Amino acid sequence: AQSVTQPDIHITVSEGASLELRCNYSYGATPYLFWYVQSPGQGLQLLLKYFSGDTLVQGIKGFEAEFKRSQSSFNLRKPSVHWSDAAEYFCAVVQNSGYALNFGKGTSLLVTP
Amino acid sequence: KAGVTQTPRYLIKTRGQQVTLSCSPISGHRSVSWYQQTPGQGLQFLFEYFSETQRNKGNFPGRFSGRQFSNSRSEMNVSTLELGDSALYLCASSLTGNSYEQYFGPGTRLTVT
Repeated sequence: AQSVTQPDIHITVSEGASLELRCNYSYGATPYLFWYVQSPGQGLQLLLKYFSGDTLVQGIKGFEAEFKRSQSSFNLRKPSVHWSDAAEYFCAVVQNSGYALNFGKGTSLLVTP
Repeated sequence: KAGVTQTPRYLIKTRGQQVTLSCSPISGHRSVSWYQQTPGQGLQFLFEYFSETQRNKGNFPGRFSGRQFSNSRSEMNVSTLELGDSALYLCASSLTGNSYEQYFGPGTRLTVT
């Protein structure tokens, strides 16, 4: 079954520093992958998606992600983090049984001054 | 365009009671999915509806049920509540039956005492 793993439970970065959140997927064919962000007390907001084509995808809020088949990864990056980026980030993959998503456990991002 | 709305936002129930949660998708969206989010299990898929038909169901007991109306609004019901049902219940909508992009509502926080 398709699944994603987020190896980092918590990450702390300084404001203005670059960010990379890791996501590894388990699926034989090309997966449909997503990154979502969740602020405290809120629902999930879609940051970006990868279905096919260009392996570097741009999203909202200055985020980008790169699909690397050789490493089974879909890491999320941002060149300069803002304090407002502090949130929980989830990687997700579409299930092959339908249109449901399988989510990783999430990575909690803390931004320090 | 208004986003996905969920009512109520917060709910406190007692063990053994039942509860109904409501979700209104983005206008024009016809697919609605439900997810349960807990600190221990993370985000787990409950079920998905399209054109009033349940197309996909997650691994949850029969106490969890749902339905979708002709206007695409959806409800989920949990009967005989257990303490472990305390969670954030998230609803997501998609534009068509073949769209994998899901847009989430703010969720309903259910507390079972």
